Amino acid sequence: GESVGLHLPTLSVQEGDNSIINCAYSNSASDYFIWYKQESGKGPQFIIDIRSNMDKRQGQRVTVLLNKTVKHLSLQIAATQPGDSAVYFCAERMKGDYGQNFVFGPGTRLSVLP
Amino acid sequence: EPEVTQTPSHQVTQMGQEVILRCVPISNHLYFYWYRQILGQKVEFLVSFYNNEISEKSEIFDDQFSVERPDGSNFTLKIRSTKLEDSAMYFCASSERTGHRAYEQYFGPGTRLTVT
Repeated sequence: GESVGLHLPTLSVQEGDNSIINCAYSNSASDYFIWYKQESGKGPQFIIDIRSNMDKRQGQRVTVLLNKTVKHLSLQIAATQPGDSAVYFCAERMKGDYGQNFVFGPGTRLSVLP
Repeated sequence: EPEVTQTPSHQVTQMGQEVILRCVPISNHLYFYWYRQILGQKVEFLVSFYNNEISEKSEIFDDQFSVERPDGSNFTLKIRSTKLEDSAMYFCASSERTGHRAYEQYFGPGTRLTVT
């Protein structure tokens, strides 16, 4: 049958502005989270991770915030550049029926405007 | 910089045929993973592998799937009897799984599997 593709939310930002990408995760027992970047035709690329015992973690130009109360994760990119244009998605590590699983979100497309 | 490689980049097969997708993880990594991404959809975890055995798997990874590390460098995913719905991009990943970069998974470029 025909597969229905996801309609990805799109975030458009001006070059140099800060970007905030959000993700709602599903399982309050998830203990570890990762943000990935995926450029067209390429595999996912690790950006930053955070464990559930933290609420903030900073990397180079990126910050991840974790709000366990509302099961929300955000990725902040400072001074967004054209090379940041990609699909960004979060992944949570949760216990499935067969062990620990990484469950990925659908993603947000970031478009950087010149 | 070391990277994960995958072959072939594109595999076309007929329904019911067996396929083997190949991956060469980064050489000092200890954990290996397979994921798939159906066109336009989310990345889905299939399986993780450590110390020559499956450590975790998802409900997608049924009896039609198997993984193997036949030698010190390759990591393979076999689909025994392909179905149309197996058409997807398959990504291999590897990680050190130690220290502060414990779960930083490096993904390969993927193999696009088309089942006709």
